[in-house]
Amino acid sequence: NAGVMQNPRHLVRRRGQEARLRCSPMKGHSHVYWYRQLPEEGLKFMVYLQKENIIDESGMPKERFSAEFPKEGPSILRIQQVVRGDSAAYFCASSLTTGNNEQFFGPGTRLTVL
Amino acid sequence: KNEVEQSPQNLTAQEGEFITINCSYSVGISALHWLQQHPGGGIVSLFMLSSGKKKHGRLIATINIQEKHSSLHITASHPRDSAVYICAVRGSQGNLIFGKGTKLSVKP
Repeated sequence: NAGVMQNPRHLVRRRGQEARLRCSPMKGHSHVYWYRQLPEEGLKFMVYLQKENIIDESGMPKERFSAEFPKEGPSILRIQQVVRGDSAAYFCASSLTTGNNEQFFGPGTRLTVL
Repeated sequence: KNEVEQSPQNLTAQEGEFITINCSYSVGISALHWLQQHPGGGIVSLFMLSSGKKKHGRLIATINIQEKHSSLHITASHPRDSAVYICAVRGSQGNLIFGKGTKLSVKP
C-alpha cells in the first residue's frame, strides 16, 4: 500500500507563472489536507478537502490560491501568478475519515519562485 | 501567544541521554500528534493520543488533558534521533495546528 504521493518534489517557477502541486492520498483515504511550511517557520493549515468538496479553506489565502479534489485523480493545489513569498514547502496529508483518524504525510513539494 | 507552544526550541544532547520535549496548548482538542521531520524534510507521524500515555520503542508520549500539556520522551538517545520534533493539535474540523518544532541534535 503506497503512502501519500506528492509531485513534483521540487518545482521552480518565475514570478507571475502558475504552480500546480499534486497529491495522491493513501489508498482508501478520502480526506486530504494541505499544509504550508514557510522557510524557518512552522507548518500552517491551508485547506481540507473530501472528494469533490472543500470542507475548510480558512487557512488558504483568498487570492491566487485554489484547491480541488476531484472524484477521480489527485488533489491539486493551484497557485496563480506566483510571487517570491510563495516559496515554501507544501505538504499534503490524508486520512481515512475525520474524527481522531491519524493523518499520513506526503514527502512535500518544495516550491521556489525566482 | 501561539495556540501551541513547544519547549525547548533547540536541544543538544549526548548519545545515551534521556530527552524530554514539552508541548502546551490553549485550545480545545480532540487529539494531539507528535511528528518527526527529518533533515531532508519528510514528516513522519510518531504518535496520536487523546489521553494517557503511549510507547513505541524508545519513544514515549504522554498527555494531560486537564493541564493542556503533552511531553515526548526519548530514552537512550542516538544520533539518528536528530530531527525536528513537532507537536500538533487537532482542531474541530480535523485540521492540525502546529507548534514551531524542537530541533534536536544528538552528538555521538
